[in-house]
Amino acid sequence: DAMVIQNPRYQVTQFGKPVTLSCSQTLNHNVMYWYQQKSSQAPKLLFHYYDKDFNNEADTPDNFQSRRPNTSFCFLDIRSPGLGDAAMYLCATSISRGTSPTDTQYFGPGTRLTVL
Amino acid sequence: AQKVTQAQTEISVVEKEDVTLDCVYETRDTTYYLFWYKQPPSGELVFLIRRNSFDEQNEISGRYSWNFQKSTSSFNFTITASQVVDSAVYFCALSEAEGGSEKLVFGKGMKLTVNP
Repeated sequence: DAMVIQNPRYQVTQFGKPVTLSCSQTLNHNVMYWYQQKSSQAPKLLFHYYDKDFNNEADTPDNFQSRRPNTSFCFLDIRSPGLGDAAMYLCATSISRGTSPTDTQYFGPGTRLTVL
Repeated sequence: AQKVTQAQTEISVVEKEDVTLDCVYETRDTTYYLFWYKQPPSGELVFLIRRNSFDEQNEISGRYSWNFQKSTSSFNFTITASQVVDSAVYFCALSEAEGGSEKLVFGKGMKLTVNP
């Protein structure tokens, strides 16, 4: 089945130790997103890739970076995790054809990050 | 600015009861999309429905139904004969139809607990 896959599902890291979260998709969608969701809150968009073009949200801290080496994969790098970065990180994908209406975003199962 | 309000934060019902989740939105755009997502305890955001601003027809899918009213800027979601498996957090979201940023604006979510 076509899907959005996130690995690992649970990640524990130490304060200040870099961590990378992974997202892959078999939907062949050209847009990939990373959201941060803290407990009992709505998902918050960090950034997205429109094809190879990176679009950062204005309030996303510099501590968060992303890479998209190809259509299928996208990575979220947290350079120096702080205790406040503990959250669920959700990857999503969609098709966007520029002038066409916004298509639905499909989400992966998320990676729950714990910072010790 | 776009905004989505889910006034109810938490609802608890007994199985087989009907329950309606309210969603009110604000946007200046004439073309926009509305979504409902379900987030069970496992964490994955599951897409339920997408509705564009020009289609005010109500929709029914099994036990789920949606009532879109532009006059009141509302997009309410009703679960008929609720079941324990419906227990989840439900998010209403709004997206612009065009633009460089394919951004979903989420409401704060509503936690539904269905008790046996």
